[in-house]
Amino acid sequence: DAGVIQSPRHEVTEMGQEVTLRCKPISGHNSLFWYRQTMMRGLELLIYFNNNVPIDDSGMPEDRFSAKMPNASFSTLKIQPSEPRDSAVYFCASSAPKLPYEQYFGPGTRLTVT
Amino acid sequence: ILNVEQSPQSLHVQEGDSTNFTCSFPSSNFYALHWYRWETAKSPEALFVMTLNGDEKKKGRISATLNTKEGYSYLYIKGSQPEDSATYLCAFSRGAQKLVFGQGTRLTINP
Repeated sequence: DAGVIQSPRHEVTEMGQEVTLRCKPISGHNSLFWYRQTMMRGLELLIYFNNNVPIDDSGMPEDRFSAKMPNASFSTLKIQPSEPRDSAVYFCASSAPKLPYEQYFGPGTRLTVT
Repeated sequence: ILNVEQSPQSLHVQEGDSTNFTCSFPSSNFYALHWYRWETAKSPEALFVMTLNGDEKKKGRISATLNTKEGYSYLYIKGSQPEDSATYLCAFSRGAQKLVFGQGTRLTINP
């Protein structure tokens, strides 16, 4: 299995631009998680989906952030408009529908907003 | 709000020495405790998942124990090697697929 795939691996954009991060979970996994890693806050959960339905988006910072999962093999995290404080590494993870729900992480997207 | 605390935040250990660190979590409605190893510039990788009070897991020189009644888990590394340098994360769950992560313990092994 290829594991969780994220693209792009690195993104540099200017403040105000729209940014779209992409994730392909492991085949057969029914839950998908978006995390953000910063020095100040560590690894924080932004949103997670179960069977393509958003279950908990309480970690989404504000309305500039949105996430979709149109099918079982693809999800996007969009930031519009982007701001310098959004600079971070964004991880996607997925887990299978069986206990104990171990999560498998993708390689991350390093976002820099200038 | 679920609080998962890890201590210490960082640790420097001489190569060959053994070490351990702690994860504290809410003891109510416990389902599972996960340990992840996170190397710089890589993604977190699962080490152990424990669900039962008294569980002990071992993988090579690394082992972990779980006390769900008092809400803590220890991770032990025996005979530290430079390749053990990483951040070690613990994560707590109450049965749903959502995990709550601690801030991690950053371990540096000095040769």
